[in-house]
Amino acid sequence: GQQVMQIPQYQHVQEGEDFTTYCNSSTTLSNIQWYKQRPGGHPVFLIQLVKSGEVKKQKRLTFQFGEAKKNSSLHITATQTTDVGTYFCAGIGGTSYGKLTFGQGTILTVHP
Amino acid sequence: DVKVTQSSRYLVKRTGEKVFLECVQDMDHENMFWYRQDPGLGLRLIYFSYDVKMKEKGDIPEGYSVSREKKERFSLILESASTNQTSMYLCASSRVRTGTAGYTFGSGTRLTVV
Repeated sequence: GQQVMQIPQYQHVQEGEDFTTYCNSSTTLSNIQWYKQRPGGHPVFLIQLVKSGEVKKQKRLTFQFGEAKKNSSLHITATQTTDVGTYFCAGIGGTSYGKLTFGQGTILTVHP
Repeated sequence: DVKVTQSSRYLVKRTGEKVFLECVQDMDHENMFWYRQDPGLGLRLIYFSYDVKMKEKGDIPEGYSVSREKKERFSLILESASTNQTSMYLCASSRVRTGTAGYTFGSGTRLTVV
């Protein structure tokens, strides 16, 4: 079945440093979504990318979808302590109509 | 805002018990999902439903069943709870069948089976 791999599993940064998490799929994706889960909370939808090569920005967050639609990344510029949490990518492949497959998540810790 | 409400935040059950986890959404979403979340494994899909009385197996359905008698309610049933079903269970809903809209998650139920 479809697999979505996400790296790194953990990332510790000093406040103000940048952070990137990467997501790779075993199959071509029709779209990819990103979620953030704060400690003790539940995943919250951040954004969806649909087009090949698409780049979207939300303030300090930049999301990219690869040209082959098999990989994606989330980059945070100048991290803040409010960025702590787990970031998940989730994709829908051609044969998994409407079903999201989640990556394992990247746990981000920001040291003040 | 869409709300997805899970009936219990924490549950402790004994091995062999039948366990019901309830989930209700208030925005008339067609799609509802049950995931379990375990450290290092991300979110894994147990069952999902696109319509009332309709259900489909996800990636790890063994030991679970579901019920969707009304559009707003999706129940997860552990027929005979086992310790390896100790986990965080997350319910989610989405409004679009094609998966082109983000999921809204409930707050989760942390189930411990002893």
